Amino acid sequence: GQNIDQPTEMTATEGAIVQINCTYQTSGFNGLFWYQQHAGEAPTFLSYNVLDGLEEKGRFSSFLSRSKGYSYLLLKELQMKDSASYLCAVSLYNTDKLIFGTGTRLQVFP
Amino acid sequence: GAVVSQHPSWVICKSGTSVKIECRSLDFQATTMFWYRQFPKQSLMLMATSNEGSKATYEQGVEKDKFLINHASLTLSTLTVTSAHPEDSSFYICSARTSPEVAEVPQYNEQFFGPGTRLTVL
Repeated sequence: GQNIDQPTEMTATEGAIVQINCTYQTSGFNGLFWYQQHAGEAPTFLSYNVLDGLEEKGRFSSFLSRSKGYSYLLLKELQMKDSASYLCAVSLYNTDKLIFGTGTRLQVFP
Repeated sequence: GAVVSQHPSWVICKSGTSVKIECRSLDFQATTMFWYRQFPKQSLMLMATSNEGSKATYEQGVEKDKFLINHASLTLSTLTVTSAHPEDSSFYICSARTSPEVAEVPQYNEQFFGPGTRLTVL
């Protein structure tokens, strides 16, 4: 079966750095997405990794290690508006499916 | 960018009635659409995959006779919750992707999400 795990909740302070981890065990891996979702809204795309290494995009970076089945999302210079759920999702090879992880609710405090 | 809309954004209905939710891709042709369900404080659960002109493929445990999916055109898919009950109350989200041949980054397999529909069954 497919299994994707993330911490359920995290808290951090405005201006700080936070790392959200995602571990996965899936068949036919074809890339990993990170999405941000505010309560009651649809997920919005943050990043995509298919090769090992770090992808940087402004305040957000995402890392992937395929051999370890591991990814993380790094958020720098945290702002209050970054309080949201962060979902990692694995794209399965030869299908159109995205399998979502459990999601991590991040709360940023002043 | 690719825009996906859903209608209605929220709906309240009585137990036993049926509710139809529409998902439209506004500026691209969606060869495949997906329907997800999300319960409070939980992640997205894939319900079914819908390809234009063919029957939807349902995930294990999702009743195809209860959740009717129609993907009649390249820009529209509908989800009908039949004989809705309070336990069907949830946030329903659709997503859409284009075919790899016309995608900007074919290997990306990116899905574009609609804004979601909040269903409350009384």
